[in-house]
Amino acid sequence: AQSVTQLGSHVSVSEGALVLLRCNYSSSVPPYLFWYVQYPNQGLQLLLKYTTGATLVKGINGFEAEFKKSETSFHLTKPSAHMSDAAEYFCAVTYTGKLIFGQGTTLQVKP
Amino acid sequence: DAGVIQSPRHEVTEMGQEVTLRCKPISGHNSLFWYRQTMMRGLELLIYFNNNVPIDDSGMPEDRFSAKMPNASFSTLKIQPSEPRDSAVYFCASSYHWGDNYEQYFGPGTRLTVT
Repeated sequence: AQSVTQLGSHVSVSEGALVLLRCNYSSSVPPYLFWYVQYPNQGLQLLLKYTTGATLVKGINGFEAEFKKSETSFHLTKPSAHMSDAAEYFCAVTYTGKLIFGQGTTLQVKP
Repeated sequence: DAGVIQSPRHEVTEMGQEVTLRCKPISGHNSLFWYRQTMMRGLELLIYFNNNVPIDDSGMPEDRFSAKMPNASFSTLKIQPSEPRDSAVYFCASSYHWGDNYEQYFGPGTRLTVT
């Protein structure tokens, strides 16, 4: 069965600092992996996705994630946090079309 | 493209009343998903359709919930009768499932409050 674990329900960083949001997945077959962002009172927006090919995936707003099969991880990073990055972030996995979401990580950015 | 359209954006109703949530997917998409989001349970998939046919409704909490997709451009999620524990944000999402493409596009959600 597929599952997703996001380590840390809340992450706080200072503006300009590195952002690291952790995601580990469990899947018996090669997964497709996604990161979504949700701003307050809005729907989810796709940040980036991994299907096949290059394991380092670049997304919108300067975010990127690296698929590490040996570690079953797909952590999201951004070199320098901006105040506008404050939001909730969801990692998701699928290979059937049905997305399995993690519980979400709220990113707080302090000035 | 206008994106996924949901209506209403906010709904306040009394316990026992029928509630109908509406969704218009992105034109050309062949899969549609209904999700519920709460603080306690996070984001839950309720049901999804492929080519207007329900494929997996295992997430529908109970018989009070029903969903239909009469055509490729419209879907409804109905709760009858509604209960306070149904209060949540309900999202509709659509995708064009072909090959490796599983990317889903979400609507803005309907915030339901049952008093």
